[in-house]
Amino acid sequence: DAKTTQPPSMDCAEGRAANLPCNHSTISGNEYVYWYRQIHSQGPQYIIHGLKNNETNEMASLIITEDRKSSTLILPHATLRDTAVYYCIFQSVYSGGGADGLTFGKGTHLIIQP
Amino acid sequence: DVKVTQSSRYLVKRTGEKVFLECVQDMDHENMFWYRQDPGLGLRLIYFSYDVKMKEKGDIPEGYSVSREKKERFSLILESASTNQTSMYLCASSFGGGTNYEQYFGPGTRLTVT
Repeated sequence: DAKTTQPPSMDCAEGRAANLPCNHSTISGNEYVYWYRQIHSQGPQYIIHGLKNNETNEMASLIITEDRKSSTLILPHATLRDTAVYYCIFQSVYSGGGADGLTFGKGTHLIIQP
Repeated sequence: DVKVTQSSRYLVKRTGEKVFLECVQDMDHENMFWYRQDPGLGLRLIYFSYDVKMKEKGDIPEGYSVSREKKERFSLILESASTNQTSMYLCASSFGGGTNYEQYFGPGTRLTVT
């Protein structure tokens, strides 16, 4: 199984950009990188995903290196409500119509400091 | 916005009771999932469903059953609750077509079995 490596925790000042790295050296060509986050005592929340191009949506940007061995999730202007555990995972484009369960690693606990 | 709702945020049941956890999604998603989340064990898939009346076992189905009579509703049933089923239960849904497989989660039900 493809594995991801994330730092266990990070701090970021409120209003600054939060850059969360993820290493995935064993990712295969048909696997998307997905990011989710989980705020304490809530369900996980989908943030963004990408295959090989950089992606941006209203929540974040995703930068994937050209060799696809690592990626960075960027929260451009972090707020206190962005304090959460952030998970980087893979999902295959051939994942049976999306009916595959998700497996989260330990993720990165991002703490936004006032 | 996708909305996934769960019938209860907190639930306390006695050992041996039959427990019903209800999940409803309003985005016409084909796929629905039930997970449990425990400290140190991460997210584990109990059951999923890719269509009405269809169900598949996940990684830890023992002691659970599910029902999907309508597309928008997926129920998790604990036939005879036991203390080791004390956990956070999370429901999720996803679209069954294309290659965007992001899952949308409900707020979770924290179940305590005494």
